[in-house]
Amino acid sequence: GDSVTQMEGPVTLSEEAFLTINCTYTATGYPSLFWYVQYPGEGLQLLLKATKADDKGSNKGFEATYRKETTSFHLEKGSVQVSDSAVYFCALSQRTSGSRLTFGEGTQLTVNP
Amino acid sequence: SAVISQKPSRDICQRGTSLTIQCQVDSQVTMMFWYRQQPGQSLTLIATANQGSEATYESGFVIDKFPISRPNLTFSTLTVSNMSPEDSSIYLCSVVGVSGGSYNEQFFGPGTRLTVL
Repeated sequence: GDSVTQMEGPVTLSEEAFLTINCTYTATGYPSLFWYVQYPGEGLQLLLKATKADDKGSNKGFEATYRKETTSFHLEKGSVQVSDSAVYFCALSQRTSGSRLTFGEGTQLTVNP
Repeated sequence: SAVISQKPSRDICQRGTSLTIQCQVDSQVTMMFWYRQQPGQSLTLIATANQGSEATYESGFVIDKFPISRPNLTFSTLTVSNMSPEDSSIYLCSVVGVSGGSYNEQFFGPGTRLTVL
């Protein structure tokens, strides 16, 4: 079945550092790919998405590119802020499976001032 | 997007009891789901809540333990039955098919944090 693998965490960075969180997937066909963010004590928020190969999703300074050749969807941000501290989840869905999401393990990001 | 509310936001329950969690959306949606997030872990899909029919459960989850209702296109409930400490988790509902949104965009409620003693 489909699966998503994220880089092991937690990740601790200083403010204004460059962020990369790796995400790779295993799936048949052409899934849609997502990054969700969960701030402390809150539910999940959709951060960005990409629905086909070479699409780039972007939001709030975060970017991720759908790479079918490497089955990856790595999350990047050029300069993180303390307010970016959260748990980040990579996920995929297939239209053939009713839009159900398959999540990665989540990566805890802490940004220090 | 959609405004999704869940009640209660948190609860502490005794083992052997049951808790019903409500999920309300401010607009009609196509699909509603229920997820469980165990402490420090990722999300696992419990079931798809089908309007007017029985929910579709994922492997490892059964109706007797997690009965689900969806009487209309904006509301669903999840009951956690005969609770044990292993049921302590955050339970989240999500929706797909929000008017004006993409078919595959899924939005989440704020979650219900359940502790079972």
